[in-house]
Amino acid sequence: KAGVTQTPRYLIKTRGQQVTLSCSPISGHRSVSWYQQTPGQGLQFLFEYFSETQRNKGNFPGRFSGRQFSNSRSEMNVSTLELGDSALYLCASSSGQETDTQYFGPGTRLTVL
Amino acid sequence: KQEVTQIPAALSVPEGENLVLNCSFTDSAIYNLQWFRQDPGKGLTSLLLIQSSQREQTSGRLNASLDKSSGRSTLYIAASQPGDSATYLCAVRPPQGAQKLVFGQGTRLTINP
Repeated sequence: KAGVTQTPRYLIKTRGQQVTLSCSPISGHRSVSWYQQTPGQGLQFLFEYFSETQRNKGNFPGRFSGRQFSNSRSEMNVSTLELGDSALYLCASSSGQETDTQYFGPGTRLTVL
Repeated sequence: KQEVTQIPAALSVPEGENLVLNCSFTDSAIYNLQWFRQDPGKGLTSLLLIQSSQREQTSGRLNASLDKSSGRSTLYIAASQPGDSATYLCAVRPPQGAQKLVFGQGTRLTINP
């Protein structure tokens, strides 16, 4: 099976711009979760989508949003970028059961200048 | 609020040694605990998943144990190799929160040839 794919792998944006990141889960997986990783805060949960519905949400401002399509692919959008949004954004794929392993993609490195 | 702690933050050992990485969590109400490996600038690779009803899991030279009542997990690496050098992260899945994982800050492991 192909693994989790994320595009693009690298992005450079300026403050105030918006950005969209994409995640394609493992075939058959219906759950996609997003995480932000920074040196200071570590890995923090952003939100999870399951069957096109947001099922859980972390403590991030409304500038961070997402959606999931019928083929389970997910996109994450960040509007009005701030310097502090510079991070590695990781998505994780699973079947959606609480007992399942989560499989992570390679991440998108976002740099905000 | 669930909090996960990993000690030490960094560890350097000579090749061939057996070693133990520690993970502790504040709330024993978890679905499972997962150990990951992360190479610099890369995504997370799942190593082992222990369900809340299990005591340990093994994969090759890796063995993870879970003591839910005391809020502790250990990852044992036998006969360490330079290729084991990476950051090791543990994460717990709380019962409320669907696919959300709560991560520790990780242990950066260096195996010296």
